[in-house]
Amino acid sequence: EVQLVESGGGLVQPGRSLRLSCAASGFNFDDYAMHWVRQAPGKGLEWVSGIVWNSGSLGYADSVKGRFTISRDNAKNSLYLQMNSLRAEDTAFYYCAKGIAPEGFVGDYWGQGTLVTVSS
Amino acid sequence: DIQMTQSPSSLSASVGDRVTITCRASQSISSHLNWYQQKPGKAPKLLIYAASSLQSGVPSRFSGSGSGTDFTLTISSLQPEDFATYYCQQSYSAPMYTFGQGTKLEIK
Repeated sequence: EVQLVESGGGLVQPGRSLRLSCAASGFNFDDYAMHWVRQAPGKGLEWVSGIVWNSGSLGYADSVKGRFTISRDNAKNSLYLQMNSLRAEDTAFYYCAKGIAPEGFVGDYWGQGTLVTVSS
Repeated sequence: DIQMTQSPSSLSASVGDRVTITCRASQSISSHLNWYQQKPGKAPKLLIYAASSLQSGVPSRFSGSGSGTDFTLTISSLQPEDFATYYCQQSYSAPMYTFGQGTKLEIK
């Protein structure tokens, strides 16, 4: 059974940093692209960042470019999102999503999400 | 960036109705269009990928069509568990993948 479990969310002050993790199981992690998608409370979905199977290509939404860094550790079946210079508008549920292929984004499995709240 | 526009933003329907949701891309995305269902407090669930391919385990009352810039998601006979918010998402413009704003399907 495919499982994606996010962790690392919480309350953080503006300008501070936070690192999200996603622990994957139930599939060959290093065969698939992985992504982060967020959803502000009561709002729609926003793709945040993605990384191909071998970390050879990374992508970021314009809203987080230069502040967030995605990475993966295939030996640990884990995906990460380092979030720096956090802003109030980064407040959202952050979902980890598995792609259906080594590259691209069609999210066939999603985690339950972790809430990041940026507030003083 | 490719913009995705869904219509309508909300929709009221009854059990047994046939429902169609539309998604339009700001430029051609070939068939790189996916549909998700999201229920309150839950993660999104993939329904349709590549415009018309039904994800494994998804009921056959869901179908997708379209190519280029115009796409539709159709639910042939609404069931109580189908009341949710639906999102389209383009996977053409790597690595910038955009979602539509969502369509909330409510019980009439």
